[in-house]
Amino acid sequence: AQKVTQAQTEISVVEKEDVTLDCVYETRDTTYYLFWYKQPPSGELVFLIRRNSFDEQNEISGRYSWNFQKSTSSFNFTITASQVVDSAVYFCALSEYSGGGADGLTFGKGTHLIIQP
Amino acid sequence: DAGVIQSPRHEVTEMGQEVTLRCKPISGHNSLFWYRQTMMRGLELLIYFNNNVPIDDSGMPEDRFSAKMPNASFSTLKIQPSEPRDSAVYFCASSTLGTDKHNEQFFGPGTRLTVL
Repeated sequence: AQKVTQAQTEISVVEKEDVTLDCVYETRDTTYYLFWYKQPPSGELVFLIRRNSFDEQNEISGRYSWNFQKSTSSFNFTITASQVVDSAVYFCALSEYSGGGADGLTFGKGTHLIIQP
Repeated sequence: DAGVIQSPRHEVTEMGQEVTLRCKPISGHNSLFWYRQTMMRGLELLIYFNNNVPIDDSGMPEDRFSAKMPNASFSTLKIQPSEPRDSAVYFCASSTLGTDKHNEQFFGPGTRLTVL
């Protein structure tokens, strides 16, 4: 069975600090996808990134970066120079690969990130 | 381009009533997913369709829940009869298959359901 663990329930930092959100996953499949979503106070779920299990390159998008390490089954998310608008709940998710079809996501419990001005 | 559209955005009903939630996926997407979010259980997958065919409904909590996708641009999630424990935010998401965007799921705004 697949599982996603986000051990940090809540993180509070002061604006402009860097912050890393941890994600650890479990799966028996060798082919899978990892995701991060942002849920701001307004409630929608915003897609941030999808990474497949064969691509361990780190990715950077503006102030956001992701570190994927299969050796530790982790897919961590770092926000550099945080801003108040980054305040949200962030979810890590996993889907296994069923041979061509799409699969549903298994979500972690989320990390509530609070950026204080 | 329009994103995933869900209706209604809010629904308040009484226990025992039938509730129908609606979803229009992003045009060109061929996979559709229904999720539920509660404080206790977090985000959980209920059911999903590939090319309008239900693939996995193991997340549907009870026989009171049913979902259909009669065509590529419309899906419904029905609860009959509804119970207070069904109160939650129900999200619909859609994605493409077999492209470089495979399984990138984009979510609708959600339907907040309250069963009294």
